[in-house]
Amino acid sequence: DVKVTQSSRYLVKRTGEKVFLECVQDMDHENMFWYRQDPGLGLRLIYFSYDVKMKEKGDIPEGYSVSREKKERFSLILESASTNQTSMYLCASSPRGGLRQPQHFGDGTRLSIL
Amino acid sequence: QQQVKQSPQSLIVQKGGIPIINCAYENTAFDYFPWYQQFPGKGPALLIAIRPDVSEKKEGRFTISFNKSAKQFSLHIMDSQPGDSATYFCAASTASGAGSYQLTFGKGTKLSVIP
Repeated sequence: DVKVTQSSRYLVKRTGEKVFLECVQDMDHENMFWYRQDPGLGLRLIYFSYDVKMKEKGDIPEGYSVSREKKERFSLILESASTNQTSMYLCASSPRGGLRQPQHFGDGTRLSIL
Repeated sequence: QQQVKQSPQSLIVQKGGIPIINCAYENTAFDYFPWYQQFPGKGPALLIAIRPDVSEKKEGRFTISFNKSAKQFSLHIMDSQPGDSATYFCAASTASGAGSYQLTFGKGTKLSVIP
């Protein structure tokens, strides 16, 4: 089974801090994604990456950046955390092979910014 | 902005009932329509998916109906069980300019199946 592991289930940080969320997948997938999930808003794509060192903006990239130095690891960075970034963050991965490949999700990191 | 509109926001059915969740889209570039199921404390997991050249797909008790001309698709759960209680997301997939693809999700439907 594909396993997508997010380093923290819960995280509490302060406004203005630089925050790193880590995601690792064990299936050699080319594509990796970061979403945030908010009640009533569904899942919204922040950034995705289709290869090492490559990144593309999703629908809501403002206030975030990403890093992909190794194929299995995709990091989401909040440069200066703000309270409106309190949310559930979900990482996903999928193999190359077109838009019909399923995405496999981690169990999420619930981030609170105080 | 690309959108997928999902309804209802929440749904309560009795065991054995047939909940129906509806989704609609505008962007004709969408080319694949998966449904994801999410249990509390877990990430979403792929449940079933359909291509736009197919009008219906069944997998066990789950059926997707797809109406390309109306740009609508729906999920039906036959003989629903309490274990089906979860949040369901429809999604639509489109190729990105980077040679990859991205999913656009509906806002989700929280389903409760009462024993």
